[in-house]
Amino acid sequence: EIVLTQSPATLSLSPGERATLSCGASQRVSSSYLAWYQQKPGLAPRLLIYDASTRATGIPDRFSGSGSGTDFTLTISRLEPEDFAVYYCQQYGSSSITFGQGTRLEIK
Amino acid sequence: QVQLQESGPGLVKPSGTLSLTCAVSGGSIDNNNWWSWVRQPPGKGLEWIGEIYHSGSANYNPSLKSRVTISVDKSKNQFSVNLSSVTAADTAIYYCARWYMGYFDHWGQGILVTVSS
Repeated sequence: EIVLTQSPATLSLSPGERATLSCGASQRVSSSYLAWYQQKPGLAPRLLIYDASTRATGIPDRFSGSGSGTDFTLTISRLEPEDFAVYYCQQYGSSSITFGQGTRLEIK
Repeated sequence: QVQLQESGPGLVKPSGTLSLTCAVSGGSIDNNNWWSWVRQPPGKGLEWIGEIYHSGSANYNPSLKSRVTISVDKSKNQFSVNLSSVTAADTAIYYCARWYMGYFDHWGQGILVTVSS
């Protein structure tokens, strides 16, 4: 099973700043099978990025994904108030799906 | 637009079996998709439980495989999960979701299931 480790656990930033969230994998992940989700309190996760770098429908272009192999990054170029939430990376491999433990993005 | 809705008991006794159903609307469960269950203990992260294809073929999280069964009912356009021998550690919000080519693109709203006597 591939283990995903997200860092930092908590990121404190102000609106307008740039956020960089990391997701490291214990084994190589196919870029076609790396996704990012945003989750707000009381709601289901929302797909942001798939195939490591493709924005899902309706996702603003301030969200971008990059990386390959074992290191992936979600970048939010300029934080809006509604972006403060928990973010999860997810991978698929060998008929098994795993999530990272999440990064909480909080207002500084 | 595909919509998913979970239903089932919100309270299950320890050692009992948790049973939930996910109704799919706005699309056929017969499409070229896998249908999954994901859970989230209160205040914690996401855990994939397993998935099923309309043919009945299923894959499970190895850590839960001995206790989980996922089934599909094409006539009702729904799929279900059974988790046996539950303990307090199985208390969580349970989500159903559509799996599409490497990611979950549609999610249900989730249902909180508490394991308690």
